[in-house]
Formats: sequence, C-alpha cells, structure tokens
Amino acid sequence: AQSVAQPEDQVNVAEGNPLTVKCTYSVSGNPYLFWYVQYPNRGLQFLLKYITGDNLVKGSYGFEAEFNKSQTSFHLKKPSALVSDSALYFCAVRDMPNAGNMLTFGGGTRLMVKP
Amino acid sequence: EAGVAQSPRYKIIEKRQSVAFWCNPISGHATLYWYQQILGQGPKLLIQFQNNGVVDDSQLPKDRFSAERLKGVDSTLKIQPAKLEDSAVYLCASSFRDITDTQYFGPGTRLTVL
Repeated sequence: AQSVAQPEDQVNVAEGNPLTVKCTYSVSGNPYLFWYVQYPNRGLQFLLKYITGDNLVKGSYGFEAEFNKSQTSFHLKKPSALVSDSALYFCAVRDMPNAGNMLTFGGGTRLMVKP
Repeated sequence: EAGVAQSPRYKIIEKRQSVAFWCNPISGHATLYWYQQILGQGPKLLIQFQNNGVVDDSQLPKDRFSAERLKGVDSTLKIQPAKLEDSAVYLCASSFRDITDTQYFGPGTRLTVL
C-alpha cells in the first residue's frame, strides 16, 4: 500500500529565511509525487509534481522540491520565505503502476512565516 | 480558464437528514474526483469517475454515500442519512485524462452535521 508521512505538524520560519517542509513516502512501485498548498477556506492549489527525470522540480511561487529515491523523500523548499507563504501544505503520492489512480495525501504541515 | 466549481460552499444539517453537493469540473477534463477532508487531516479519495463511469469507489461508504456523473460533465455527491462523523469539507477535483495528469481542486463544501 502507498503512504505519505509529513513528520512536522507545523514549521515556523522568519520572513526572508529559507524554508523546508518535509515529506517521506512509501510505495511498492515508482512514485508520482505532488505538493499542494491550501489557504483558509480555499481548495488545494497545485504547486509542483515529480513524474520522472530531473530530481529537482521547480514549481509555482518560487517553490521547488527534490526527489530522493534512496531516502524516499520529496521535501519542499524555498530559498526565501514570504509572509504570504503561510498556509497548509500537503504532500501526495501515487504508486505507479500498482495503485490505480488513487492519490494518497499526507496529513499536512502548517507553515507559519513571521515578519 | 475557469476552475472547478462547487456548490454550496457551506451546509449545516441535522443528523439523519440528507444532503447533496454539486461539482462542475474544468471544461474538457475527463476525470472527476470527490474527496473528503476531515479537519486536521489530508483529503481522502471517495470516488473517481472517468467520463461517466466509476473508476474507483473503494473508499466510498456505499450504505449512505452515492455519487453520479450522468453526462460525463457535472457530478453530484449525496449523503443519506448523514451522521455526525460526516462533518468535513468535501472537495471536488478534475484532471484532463487520468493517472499522469495534475488534479485541480474546487473550493470545497464545508458540511456540518449537528
């Protein structure tokens, strides 16, 4: 079965500092990995995805993530945090080709960026 | 392009009542998903449609939940009768084709069951 773990419920960072939101996964096949962001009273917004190819994926709003197969991780990063980045972040995985089309989400990490 | 539309945005009902949610996916998107997001958790897939056929409904509580996508476009999700534990945000998402494509989410319907 596929699963995703986001080990931190909350990450606090000062504006202008780099940020990292952690994600680890477990699949039996090859993973498709996604990051989504959720603002209050809004649906999930797509940030970036890894399907194949370059391990460093660049996405929206200056975010990037690095796929690390040996550590089964897909951490989300940004070189310089903004207060407006404060939101709930979800990592998700699809196990290819074993789990059909199901996307499994982690529990979410709340990012708080302080001025 | 217009995003995924959902209505209503909020709904409050008493337990044992019924409720229905509506979703209109992004134009041209063949695949439609319904998720349940309980407060403090990540979304959980309830059902997936490819055009008007069900691809995966393994996590749908079929004794009380039903969903349809009759013409392969709009979809409705119904709960009858509702239980307290059904209080959650119900998210609809769509994607162009299927497994390799990004899912785009609507704003969700927040359901409170009293």
